[in-house]
Amino acid sequence: EAQVTQNPRYLITVTGKKLTVTCSQNMNHEYMSWYRQDPGLGLRQIYYSMNVEVTDKGDVPEGYKVSRKEKRNFPLILESPSPNQTSLYFCASSLRPDSSYNSPLHFGNGTRLTVT
Amino acid sequence: GENVEQHPSTLSVQEGDSAVIKCTYSDSASNYFPWYKQELGKRPQLIIDIRSNVGEKKDQRIAVTLNKTAKHFSLHITETQPEDSAVYFCAASGTNAGNMLTFGGGTRLMVKP
Repeated sequence: EAQVTQNPRYLITVTGKKLTVTCSQNMNHEYMSWYRQDPGLGLRQIYYSMNVEVTDKGDVPEGYKVSRKEKRNFPLILESPSPNQTSLYFCASSLRPDSSYNSPLHFGNGTRLTVT
Repeated sequence: GENVEQHPSTLSVQEGDSAVIKCTYSDSASNYFPWYKQELGKRPQLIIDIRSNVGEKKDQRIAVTLNKTAKHFSLHITETQPEDSAVYFCAASGTNAGNMLTFGGGTRLMVKP
């Protein structure tokens, strides 16, 4: 089954304790992205990757890191989490964006992070 | 960059009535406008999309219209059912391929039986 898999689904941690949220897709998609969802603010992009070893900042990258060592995996790293990073996080993937064709985003099931 | 505004933020309708959600975008070069539905506790899923060379698209009870001149697009749901209750997000794809989609703030639709 084609899917984007995130882990964990729920995570409670304390300020300053490094954490990683994993994301894996089995659709051979080149494009992967991380979003955070907060009430009234919709989905805001954190980081994205156009291909292996190619990553770029989205709209709200502060406090986050990503890596893309393999095509299927795109982990989100919070080196020193703070309470304002409490949010619902979604990983998504799609075929390579192109100016003449846009491929739908496929979302993972989300990770609800609470930082105390 | 692209800015997408979505209205209303909440919408309550009676079962069987129609629901309309509207979005405006700022980048006149945007060419792709998808709509995502997010049920409670679940991930957003694409329900319909429209490209800039088309003015209207229908899929059973849902339709999307696009007015490029005014830079707005709308989602229309007819004969609403309780299972249509969800949060709906519009999005627009700007000229920055890496950013790909800019999302609106979402509309919580409640369909009362």
